[in-house]
Amino acid sequence: AQSVTQLDSQVPVFEEAPVELRCNYSSSVSVYLFWYVQYPNQGLQLLLKYLSGSTLVESINGFEAEFNKSQTSFHLRKPSVHISDTAEYFCAVSERAAGNKLTFGGGTRVLVKP
Amino acid sequence: GAGVSQSPSNKVTEKGKDVELRCDPISGHTALYWYRQSLGQGLEFLIYFQGNSAPDKSGLPSDRFSAERTGGSVSTLTIQRTQQEDSAVYLCASSRGQTSSTEAFFGQGTRLTVV
Repeated sequence: AQSVTQLDSQVPVFEEAPVELRCNYSSSVSVYLFWYVQYPNQGLQLLLKYLSGSTLVESINGFEAEFNKSQTSFHLRKPSVHISDTAEYFCAVSERAAGNKLTFGGGTRVLVKP
Repeated sequence: GAGVSQSPSNKVTEKGKDVELRCDPISGHTALYWYRQSLGQGLEFLIYFQGNSAPDKSGLPSDRFSAERTGGSVSTLTIQRTQQEDSAVYLCASSRGQTSSTEAFFGQGTRLTVV
């Protein structure tokens, strides 16, 4: 079984400031790692994922996450946020053999202030 | 349609009644998942269908919950004798294959309120 911990339930941040959302996981088997985003009144969307290869993965809108196996972490960062980044962000893992059967963290609500 | 479609978008039901929630996956997607998003429990996996294989029901919280997928396409999640703790947003997702390298697309969800 896996578990995912997102240490911050809410993160207020000013526009153009950097943000980091922390995610730690535990698992007895190899996993894939994901970040999903849920904008206000919208469904969940995949932001980025780590399957293999380079431990640093990037999204098209400037977010990046780094897989750290020794620390079992997959923190999400953006160097400069926009108002439109206001959303809830979910870290998730899946066993490599389990498809998109995802175990989610509790979510981090990001509020970008002007 | 272009995305995963769920109906109804909102459902209010009386405690003890049965409810059916519907999911239309993206055409051609063989894998279908149900999740539940609630205030107390966050996002939880419920059940997973992959092609003609037996579904993975390991996340269903009780025997009041069941799901079926007819013809490898539309899925229905049924909750019998609803309880107030069943109040949540029920999310459906589909993906082209069963590996995590294929992205899962989520529907907008059905908000269930049990009164």
